[in-house]
Amino acid sequence: DADVTQTPRNRITKTGKRIMLECSQTKGHDRMYWYRQDPGLGLRLIYYSFDVKDINKGEISDGYSVSRQAQAKFSLSLESAIPNQTALYFCATSGSGTGMQPQHFGDGTRLSIL
Amino acid sequence: QQQVKQSPQSLIVQKGGISIINCAYENTAFDYFPWYQQFPGKGPALLIAIRPDVSEKKEGRFTISFNKSAKQFSLHIMDSQPGDSATYFCAASMGGSARQLTFGSGTQLTVLP
Repeated sequence: DADVTQTPRNRITKTGKRIMLECSQTKGHDRMYWYRQDPGLGLRLIYYSFDVKDINKGEISDGYSVSRQAQAKFSLSLESAIPNQTALYFCATSGSGTGMQPQHFGDGTRLSIL
Repeated sequence: QQQVKQSPQSLIVQKGGISIINCAYENTAFDYFPWYQQFPGKGPALLIAIRPDVSEKKEGRFTISFNKSAKQFSLHIMDSQPGDSATYFCAASMGGSARQLTFGSGTQLTVLP
């Protein structure tokens, strides 16, 4: 069973549409992240949240917004999708304890914007 | 601005050989350096990680070598197996291990049987 679940797994939509990608986790982690992956660019951080009341912009937040509905849920929205937002999107979680706390990733949402 | 540079972009190795992937970073404030492994259709998964107070960390066939003065670190996969074929990402973060990760561009490793 997946600890970090992303829905949908695949989505094709048109330019200008509003899209929401959802992430839920059963790991009990406080910290959640959204990344996008593009070929040759690795993963880039869009937004992150260290608890329900904490939202922070990442490297590439323009054109995106997020909502942390609960400790276990973190959604990413594209208010008006554009073709260059076509990418693979990943949600990740991590604990907040001391020591090395790895990030755990979901299996991604492949988003295509026509 | 790419703060973590990874090479090579792709790598083909024979079964039983050694795979070596290199990363270089610019920001001396980075204090946590993980490597992630990603299989097709899956998210990245932590493989091994190191802090800058040690020069090497080994877990099974996987070793991280870290050179603080050169601001470089590398992943060595000994006795490479076809099941190791995946994309590997180096990453770095500062101010603790679970903060924002800055990823390298990835290396697609193919291990031939």
